[in-house]
Amino acid sequence: EIVMTESPATLSVSPGERATLSCRASQSVSSNLAWYQQKPGQAPRLLIYGASTRATGIPVRFSGSGSGTEFTLTISSLQSEDFAVYYCQQYNKWPFTFGPGTKVEIK
Amino acid sequence: QVQLQESGPGLVKPSETLSLTCTVSGGSIRSYYWSWIRQPPGKGLEWIGYVYYSGTTNYNPSLKSRVTISVDTSKNQFSLTLTSVTAADTAVYYCARDAAYTNDWGQGTLVTVSS
Repeated sequence: EIVMTESPATLSVSPGERATLSCRASQSVSSNLAWYQQKPGQAPRLLIYGASTRATGIPVRFSGSGSGTEFTLTISSLQSEDFAVYYCQQYNKWPFTFGPGTKVEIK
Repeated sequence: QVQLQESGPGLVKPSETLSLTCTVSGGSIRSYYWSWIRQPPGKGLEWIGYVYYSGTTNYNPSLKSRVTISVDTSKNQFSLTLTSVTAADTAVYYCARDAAYTNDWGQGTLVTVSS
């Protein structure tokens, strides 16, 4: 199966600052990559699919880039509601797999 | 917007069978794929498998020998069965619409495997 890794494991950021999260796949997943946000006690929320397409209702401060094996999620100016865990997920090859997550915490 | 709701026992004994149902409301179960995804407490996400409304399935190889996902279009429901459970199967189980990526999730239900 394709192994997804994310870095860093924890990212400490001040509100208003930029956050950059990285995701790497063990083999090419083309652009078949999604990003999710998860808050405690909630189901994940889809942010990005196709590596760079924002899901419906997602603010423009969230952007995704990359293809192949290297991907980035950027949050341009962190808001209080953005502190959460972020997961990348590949859907290029079954079984679809998730990364271990990056926790974005308040600095 | 479609809504999904998981239901089933919250406690299952080791070696027994875990059974969950997902009820879909606000839309038809027809013409979509439907998935089960789980998350052990404090850990990451694992895609268990998915079913097409026609009944075609695909299971994660790590669970394939123990998993069955089925669909009941007359009830707008789909179900998960996991046999021979162990403590490692303790998790929040989510049902979701689509296979690939998904924007429609149930709220999740915690299933604990313990005697």
